[in-house]
Amino acid sequence: IAGITQAPTSQILAAGRRMTLRCTQDMRHNAMYWYRQDLGLGLRLIHYSNTAGTTGKGEVPDGYSVSRANTDDFPLTLASAVPSQTSVYFCASSEEWGSYNEQFFGPGTRLTVL
Amino acid sequence: ILNVEQSPQSLHVQEGDSTNFTCSFPSSNFYALHWYRWETAKSPEALFVMTLNGDEKKKGRISATLNTKEGYSYLYIKGSQPEDSATYLCASWYSSASKIIFGSGTRLSIRP
Repeated sequence: IAGITQAPTSQILAAGRRMTLRCTQDMRHNAMYWYRQDLGLGLRLIHYSNTAGTTGKGEVPDGYSVSRANTDDFPLTLASAVPSQTSVYFCASSEEWGSYNEQFFGPGTRLTVL
Repeated sequence: ILNVEQSPQSLHVQEGDSTNFTCSFPSSNFYALHWYRWETAKSPEALFVMTLNGDEKKKGRISATLNTKEGYSYLYIKGSQPEDSATYLCASWYSSASKIIFGSGTRLSIRP
């Protein structure tokens, strides 16, 4: 059982380029989340999806978009990357959306925008 | 602005000693508190989800308490072992924002 996988593991990207971070889970969880983790700050929620076909904005959504075409996949797209988007990105999922459900995290993608 | 604070930022403890640290959060519109354990080079793993004032949860040598009225949670580790070395994250859910807010973590190092 893989749980949650993310790809790529790391990426160096030129500013202005488009980039999609991939996230796939095999637990049939309804809810999925994207976070960024920056030094000295906690994980910050970028976007979430409480079920396939629906998405919502988190704390820091600007510059990012997501889609949820099916239960398993939740890609995060940077339409035109900027250096401030240099971060480690974590995808997570939970059985259902809501405060009572623990989240399961992927291994992370380290993104550097130059 | 919703802010979840953890203290201390880092902690060094002798193997065998017990320790505890704090998560403080705004109590208004509070829904639930999560604790996660994050080992270096791994992903965060859930320890506890707590919702009710006075909740106490335990998993092995690790336990947690919750005070929703004053807005804090304590995580306790009894008889620290080297494998307890990790960053411990707390996160709080709020109905007003319909989202989860993470603290920046307490980094725990156990000295053998």
